[in-house]
Amino acid sequence: EIVLTQSPGSLSLSPGERATLSCRTSQSVGSSFLAWYQQRPGQPPRLLIYSASSRATGIPDRFSGSGSGTDYTLTISRLEPEDFAVYYCQQYGTSPFTFGPGTKVDIK
Amino acid sequence: EVQLVESGGGLVKPGGSLRLSCATSGFTLSSYGMNWVRQAPGKGPEWVSYISSSSSYIYYADSVKGRFTISRDNAKNSLYLQMNSLRAEDTAVYYCARDRWTGVAVPDAHEEWGQGTLVTVSS
Repeated sequence: EIVLTQSPGSLSLSPGERATLSCRTSQSVGSSFLAWYQQRPGQPPRLLIYSASSRATGIPDRFSGSGSGTDYTLTISRLEPEDFAVYYCQQYGTSPFTFGPGTKVDIK
Repeated sequence: EVQLVESGGGLVKPGGSLRLSCATSGFTLSSYGMNWVRQAPGKGPEWVSYISSSSSYIYYADSVKGRFTISRDNAKNSLYLQMNSLRAEDTAVYYCARDRWTGVAVPDAHEEWGQGTLVTVSS
């Protein structure tokens, strides 16, 4: 099983600031089969990024993904009030399709 | 509008069974891989199972292998999860999730999600 580690566990920032979230996988994820999701309280996860760096439909361009192999990054260039949420990475290249433990981004 | 609506959750005793359903609309189910993902209270999501568009490929998390069975009926626009030998640690909200369309029967990121159905396993 590929284990995903996310850092930091939580991040306190102000609106307008830049957020940088990290996801590390225990093995290389083939063809960058790595996704990022946002989850707000009481809601299902929402796909932000797939294939490590492609934005999903309707996702604002302040969200960007990068990385390959075992190291991936989600960047939110300027935090909007609605961006304060929990972010999860997931690899879908090798079953089981594991999620990371999440990074909570909250308001400073 | 794409819709995924889960049903069938509830309270069940340890060792019991439940069958979850996911009714889909707004897209052609037979073109998409589908998943069940669960989330225990206060925890992160846990992927449970995947089924390819024509049911040719099926995968399970180790935690449910041998106890859960995923299936689909494309003619009825529905996805199912048969859950047997339920344990307390299976307590979670269960989401039905549709993969992105890629044109090939390969798992992909989960683009559309239902609102979930709560399964509680307790005596």
